[in-house]
Parts: sequence; structure tokens; C-alpha cells
Amino acid sequence: QQQVKQSPQSLIVQKGGISIINCAYENTAFDYFPWYQQFPGKGPALLIAIRPDVSEKKEGRFTISFNKSAKQFSLHIMDSQPGDSATYFCAASPGGGNKLVFGAGTILRVKS
Amino acid sequence: EAGVAQSPRYKIIEKRQSVAFWCNPISGHATLYWYQQILGQGPKLLIQFQNNGVVDDSQLPKDRFSAERLKGVDSTLKIQPAKLEDSAVYLCASSRNSGRINTEAFFGQGTRLTVV
Repeated sequence: QQQVKQSPQSLIVQKGGISIINCAYENTAFDYFPWYQQFPGKGPALLIAIRPDVSEKKEGRFTISFNKSAKQFSLHIMDSQPGDSATYFCAASPGGGNKLVFGAGTILRVKS
Repeated sequence: EAGVAQSPRYKIIEKRQSVAFWCNPISGHATLYWYQQILGQGPKLLIQFQNNGVVDDSQLPKDRFSAERLKGVDSTLKIQPAKLEDSAVYLCASSRNSGRINTEAFFGQGTRLTVV
């Protein structure tokens, strides 16, 4: 099964709050887990990515938490800002290439 | 570094017509991908090229979709004949990757296709 399941579909967070988006996968061959950010009219842009040999990766206000045994990973956006309002996609890729399988996306709105 | 270039940005056609999209990847990127993004969904991989060879086209509807990357640089994706359900944004992406190493995929802005 190649699916990546993402939740929630949409999220409203107050400025300064924490945004949390979750993803789950089934294919144990996946070994690369990126998060992409997409603004209206633009293509997705890589935000942060993790490999299964670590449980957490932090870059600025963005953190990926990874639970290999549960086959789940999540994106945490600390101190959320209105400029973070966008659609976020989790994705996964099996070894040997970059054949990304995307989740359905989460529309994030940060209220000022 | 110039990004992935796609054209046109928008296209409206009638069902059963044909359409072609063009993509120029980032210079030096050996791998090129075409994704289909239906409104409200995540992108779905249609085809992956490594240089001018097809690596994966398992999700490409080959009865109506075709793609080529003849010189290993730019690429075209064609739909003939188009159906209403082909309405979507077609995204091109490229990456350096070689072998088993995952590298970042850079996406273009996409071509929004509306089939009426």
C-alpha cells in the first residue's frame, strides 16, 4: 500500500500558537519523509525532511517528530505566524529514488 | 539558480481536444517528474525520467497521456484526447539525485488545465 494519510484537512491557529499536522504511512519501504509548503498559485516547496534513523529534526520554528514503530510522523510549527498560512503536504519516498507519495494536504490558517 | 520553468501557466480546452505542457528543469538536474494535482488533493506522480529514460510511468494513463524528454533536458507532457477529469494542475519537478540517495525535488509553478 502506497498511501500516506494526513490529518487534519484544515487547521486554524492563533498567532503565536503551535500548529500540529499528522501523517501515517503503511509502506515500510519508505525511508524519506519530507514536508512541503504550498502557497496559492505556486508549486510545493520543501520545508523540512527526515529519515527514519532519527526521531526528531528541528529547523527554526519547524520540527518533524518521527515514530518508526507506529509508522507516523508529524510537523510542529512553533510560534505560528500569519505568513505560515498555506497548504502543507507530508510525503514519503521509498529507497532508490524520489518517487514522492503525498498526503492529501492540510490547509493552515494563522489568525492574527 | 533559476527554478523549474513551466508553460503555459493556464490552459482551457474542450473535452476531446489535445494539449501539451512544457517543462525546463533546473540546470544539471538529471531527474525530472510530472505530477498531477487535482483540486483539494496532494500531487500524484505521473512519470519520472532519469536523463532521457523513463524510470517510472506506472501511474500514467498511457491511452491518453504521453511524455518525452528527448535530449535529457526539457520535457513535454501531452494529453490526447482530454477528459473532464483531467482538469488539474500539472506540476513539473526536478532533482539532482542519482543512485539511492534522495535529494530535494524542486517544483515549478504548474500549469492549471481546465477541461470544459
